[in-house]
Amino acid sequence: EVQLVQSGAEVKKPGESLKISCQGSGYRFTSYWIGWVRQMPGQGLEWMAIIHPVDSDTKYNPSFQGQVTISADKSITTAYLQWSSLKASDTAMYYCARLNYYDSSSSAAFDYWGQGTLVTVSS
Amino acid sequence: SYELTQPPSVSVSPGQTASITCSGDKLGAKYACWYQQKAGQSPVLVIYQDDKRPSGIPERFSGSNSGNTATLTISGTQAMDEADYYCQAWDSNTAVFGGGTKLTVL
Repeated sequence: EVQLVQSGAEVKKPGESLKISCQGSGYRFTSYWIGWVRQMPGQGLEWMAIIHPVDSDTKYNPSFQGQVTISADKSITTAYLQWSSLKASDTAMYYCARLNYYDSSSSAAFDYWGQGTLVTVSS
Repeated sequence: SYELTQPPSVSVSPGQTASITCSGDKLGAKYACWYQQKAGQSPVLVIYQDDKRPSGIPERFSGSNSGNTATLTISGTQAMDEADYYCQAWDSNTAVFGGGTKLTVL
């Protein structure tokens, strides 16, 4: 059974750093890109970035480039999303999801999702 | 940047057919997929490659994509289908989500 298990909820202050995780199991971790998606309170889904666990090749949404960093450790089948200096506007639910390329990059879809990590940034 | 537009809300009576649209420039030349997100839950992929259903997704969910519009159709809508639905496509190696449509079954 494919599973993506994310780290627990976080409460942080503005300016603090944070790294959240997403551990994959039940499939060959190195065969699929992993993506991160933000959902602000009461809002829709926003794609942030994807990473390939083999070579850590990354693609960022320009809106998030420089604001966050994604990484992966294939030895422990885990992907990460990190901030160096959080802002109140980073308060959101963050989902990781497996990206399945069905027959081309343009047909890719996020076929399995983690349970989400709620990040709250407040002074 | 590329944009996908969805109606904010759609209402349907139980047993009837619900159609949710997703509009984007030349969207028909791309692949569209759809996600269902029930309240307090993670999104679930219900349609990929315009019209394909992942394993475990009921047959009442179907999709199409032509011209500038992709459509998610739910036939014989059930109360359990009440959720937010998001379309998604790729443009220049960027994943783009629509704003989401709240489906109400009443």
